[in-house]
Amino acid sequence: EIVLTQSPGTLSLSPGDRATLSCRASQSVTSRYVAWYQQKAGQAPRLLIHGASSRASGIPERFSGSGSGTDFTLTINRLEPEDFALYYCQQYGRSPWTFGQGTKVEIK
Amino acid sequence: QVQLQESGPGLVKPSGTLSLTCAVSGDSVSNNNWWSWVRQTPEKGLEWIGEIFYDGTTNYNPSLESRVTISIDKSKNHFSLNLNSLTAADTAFYYCVRVYWGAFDFWGLGTLVTVSS
Repeated sequence: EIVLTQSPGTLSLSPGDRATLSCRASQSVTSRYVAWYQQKAGQAPRLLIHGASSRASGIPERFSGSGSGTDFTLTINRLEPEDFALYYCQQYGRSPWTFGQGTKVEIK
Repeated sequence: QVQLQESGPGLVKPSGTLSLTCAVSGDSVSNNNWWSWVRQTPEKGLEWIGEIFYDGTTNYNPSLESRVTISIDKSKNHFSLNLNSLTAADTAFYYCVRVYWGAFDFWGLGTLVTVSS
């Protein structure tokens, strides 16, 4: 199975900063089939990005995704207070679909 | 707005069977979609369990395949998860999810299932 490794484990930033989250796959992900999710305490994950760079419905433009092959990035421009949360990447290019272990974006 | 709601017992005994149902509203399980189950624990994080297509075709995580059955009931607009031979390692939050072009776009609220005697 494809193992996804996210870095860093924790990102300490201030509102207004830019967050750059990395997701590295153990094998190349077919057709950029990578998604990003946000999860807040006590809630289910929420889809942010699919197809590596397409924003899901209702997701603000400050969220953007990029990458291909084995390296993918989620960028959050101008962090808002509600953006401090856990973020997961997922690949759906090769079954079994797998998730990264998560990156926590916390207030500095 | 698509909504999914998990239901089922919150406590099950070791070696027993976990049975959860996901009620879908705002969409039909008869549409051309996959429907999936995902679980989450602090130790292992998010783990995909398996999925079912509207025509009944299934796809399971090999790590759980010998113990999992996912089924669909079009008349009730829901789909279900059965997981047998339970151990404490199966204690987790279980989510039902709609699959959108492979990604998981709508999630249920999740239900905590504890495996304990």
